[in-house]
Amino acid sequence: GQSLEQPSEVTAVEGAIVQINCTYQTSGFYGLSWYQQHDGGAPTFLSYNALDGLEETGRFSSFLSRSDSYGYLLLQELQMKDSASYFCAVALYNFNKFYFGSGTKLNVKP
Amino acid sequence: DTEVTQTPKHLVMGMTNKKSLKCEQHMGHRAMYWYKQKAKKPPELMFVYSYEKLSINESVPSRFSPECPNSSLLNLHLHALQPEDSALYLCASSPTGGGNTGELFFGEGSRLTVL
Repeated sequence: GQSLEQPSEVTAVEGAIVQINCTYQTSGFYGLSWYQQHDGGAPTFLSYNALDGLEETGRFSSFLSRSDSYGYLLLQELQMKDSASYFCAVALYNFNKFYFGSGTKLNVKP
Repeated sequence: DTEVTQTPKHLVMGMTNKKSLKCEQHMGHRAMYWYKQKAKKPPELMFVYSYEKLSINESVPSRFSPECPNSSLLNLHLHALQPEDSALYLCASSPTGGGNTGELFFGEGSRLTVL
């Protein structure tokens, strides 16, 4: 089977930087994706790492270390609208499967 | 068109009813997925279709029956469900193989309540 672990909840203030970690144990690993989900909404894609290193997309960056089975999502210049749940997801076996981590609820305070 | 459309948005059914959830995409994606999500939990993979063939069934009870009539449509037929099956059912699609950029395109979901 596979397991993906994330912190259950993180709180930060507007304008701050927050890092959400994801550790995984899988077979057939292809890459690591990150999704944002607001209450009552569907998950929306944020970023994907196939190779080790940092990927930057605006205020969001994502990092992957295959050797450590570890990745993180970095959110900069936090805004109130960033309050949501964030999920890491592993792509397995030539993208035939995507499994989601346990999710991290981010609370952004004024 | 980068949308995945799911209908109905809300569904209430009794344990003896038969109903279906529908999903449609016109992005030319040849992989389509059903996920189940309970409140405050991650999406849980149920089924994967690749080129209109069922490629993955995550040991889902037979009261859930998927169908992929063509490359744009995905159905989930529901029969004799239990109250614990109440959840948000999410459909997603993606390109297959080398065309994939690690992104699943999700619909808004069908919120199912079983009485």
